Amino acid sequence: QQNVQQSPESLIVPEGARTSLNCTFSDSASQYFWWYRQHSGKAPKALMSIFSNGEKEEGRFTIHLNKASLHFSLHIRDSQPSDSALYLCAVTGGYKVVFGSGTRLLVSP
Amino acid sequence: EAAVTQSPRSKVAVTGGKVTLSCHQTNNHDYMYWYRQDTGHGLRLIHYSYVADSTEKGDIPDGYKASRPSQENFSLILELASLSQTAVYFCASTDRGSQNTLYFGAGTRLSVL
Repeated sequence: QQNVQQSPESLIVPEGARTSLNCTFSDSASQYFWWYRQHSGKAPKALMSIFSNGEKEEGRFTIHLNKASLHFSLHIRDSQPSDSALYLCAVTGGYKVVFGSGTRLLVSP
Repeated sequence: EAAVTQSPRSKVAVTGGKVTLSCHQTNNHDYMYWYRQDTGHGLRLIHYSYVADSTEKGDIPDGYKASRPSQENFSLILELASLSQTAVYFCASTDRGSQNTLYFGAGTRLSVL
């Protein structure tokens, strides 16, 4: 059974800082790797994904995947108060999509 | 953007009662999912379906049943609701060609008293 773990559980950073969120998974056959963002009281929404080793950048967000280490991460450049949310990593393989327990990020103005 | 509609948006149920949560999507997606989220935590997979008239168990299926009578509709049934099933329930859907981008409904807040 796929085991997805996130760290840290929570994080407080000042506005403008670089933020790093981590996710590990247990099934080496996993295919797609996702980050979702959930603002308070809202539904999760897909942020970005990656399926091959390496990095992918979209605006202030960069996702990095190392399948051999069973690890991927999300980096936020120039963090903004509007980035404050629960960040969920997700791993897909076949039909199942399994989420981690989340990292709560607070960006202080 | 994909539209996924959940009903009801909130529900108060009594212990031992039957609860049905409904989900409807209008985007011709094959895959549908039910997750539960406990306050401030991640999403745990209850049941999922990749074709009408068929459902699969997720990671925490005990105490829940699912029904997929059509491609558009996916229900979650709690036959005997318990206090521990108080949570927010999210339905999501996706199609084969989107690398499993999940589109979520707004959620149903269930309180079991």
